[in-house]
Amino acid sequence: DVKVTQSSRYLVKRTGEKVFLECVQDMDHENMFWYRQDPGLGLRLIYFSYDVKMKEKGDIPEGYSVSREKKERFSLILESASTNQTSMYLCASRLGLDGSFYNEQFFGPGTRLTVL
Amino acid sequence: KNEVEQSPQNLTAQEGEFITINCSYSVGISALHWLQQHPGGGIVSLFMLSSGKKKHGRLIATINIQEKHSSLHITASHPRDSAVYICAVIWGETSGSRLTFGEGTQLTVNP
Repeated sequence: DVKVTQSSRYLVKRTGEKVFLECVQDMDHENMFWYRQDPGLGLRLIYFSYDVKMKEKGDIPEGYSVSREKKERFSLILESASTNQTSMYLCASRLGLDGSFYNEQFFGPGTRLTVL
Repeated sequence: KNEVEQSPQNLTAQEGEFITINCSYSVGISALHWLQQHPGGGIVSLFMLSSGKKKHGRLIATINIQEKHSSLHITASHPRDSAVYICAVIWGETSGSRLTFGEGTQLTVNP
């Protein structure tokens, strides 16, 4: 079974702090994704990476950066956390072979981040 | 930009009822996912389909590409089906293709 793990289930940080959210997958997937989920807005893509050291902006990249130094790990970084970044953050991975749009995404359990 | 709309937003049913959740999208897509999210956040994929119909246990998903519409049906609903059901469409056919999500339908099945 594919397993996608995230470093924390719950996290509380203060405004201005640098925040790292870590995601690890164990199935050698090429593609990895970071989403945030807010009531009334659904899931929105922040960044995705289709291979090591590759990254692409999603729909809402402002205030975030990412790092993909190893295939299994995709990190989301909030350089200076703000209260409007309080949200549920979900990581996902997907096998990225040809025809990858046919491959399902596997989600991590989520990190509920509160910025005070 | 592809928009994805789900209806209803909230649905309450009695155990045993037949349930339908609908999803409409605005432009052509490659495929569509139905996802389930239980309290606590974890999301699992139920179906991915690009045409026709798929069935798994009490769950049935259909898609009509021409009408840009998909439905998720649950037969003989049970309280453990209570969850948020999310429709997501895939636009693009490259390795960079990604999902656009609907807002989700909160389903509550009462015993």
